[in-house]
Amino acid sequence: GEQVEQLPSSLIVQEGASVLINCSYTDSASVYFPWYKQEPGKRLQFIIDIRSNMERKQTQRLTLLFDKKTKHLSLHITATQPGDSAIYFCSASIGMGYKLTFGTGTSLLVDP
Amino acid sequence: NAGVIQTPRHKVTGKGQEATLWCEPISGHSAVFWYRQTIVQGLEFLTYFRNQAPIDDSGMPKERFSAQMPNQSHSTLKIQSTQPQDSAVYLCASSTDRPRDTQYFGPGTRLLVL
Repeated sequence: GEQVEQLPSSLIVQEGASVLINCSYTDSASVYFPWYKQEPGKRLQFIIDIRSNMERKQTQRLTLLFDKKTKHLSLHITATQPGDSAIYFCSASIGMGYKLTFGTGTSLLVDP
Repeated sequence: NAGVIQTPRHKVTGKGQEATLWCEPISGHSAVFWYRQTIVQGLEFLTYFRNQAPIDDSGMPKERFSAQMPNQSHSTLKIQSTQPQDSAVYLCASSTDRPRDTQYFGPGTRLLVL
């Protein structure tokens, strides 16, 4: 079945820095890639998604890049704030199926 | 809008006991998903329903786990004869019926089996 990997597993940055989170998947049939953020003690929160017919999507300080050929995604967060501290999860959905396969998560800590 | 509601938020059971977890999806959402989150395995899909019908239970352990959706306003996940390895946070999510629509997650039920 589909496998999703994320790197790095953890990041510590100073407030204002930019970060890059990488994600790779194995099944070329995956067509939908939502990302979620999980702050300590809080529920998973949807932050951005991209479909396989797109290469780039941007919202506020988030930019998501997608390379179908290499089966790779990268999430770029600019001007980080302490409130960005959370675990970030990449996920993939195969074909018309609804279930999500999640990556292992990237723990981001932004020091003020 | 309270979002997806899950009850109880925490549950402690003894080994061999039964645990029933409840999920109330967002009103108007017709797809309901169950996932499990542990430190070791991460986030794993268990099962999902669309318009109350079971669609895919490929992630469910074949014994002891069962899920139902008796009406559009709630779903249950039942674990019989709980084992310590069942300890996890069980997450429920809901979405509309449109393909690839956003899944909205509940706060989870933290199950501890002693």
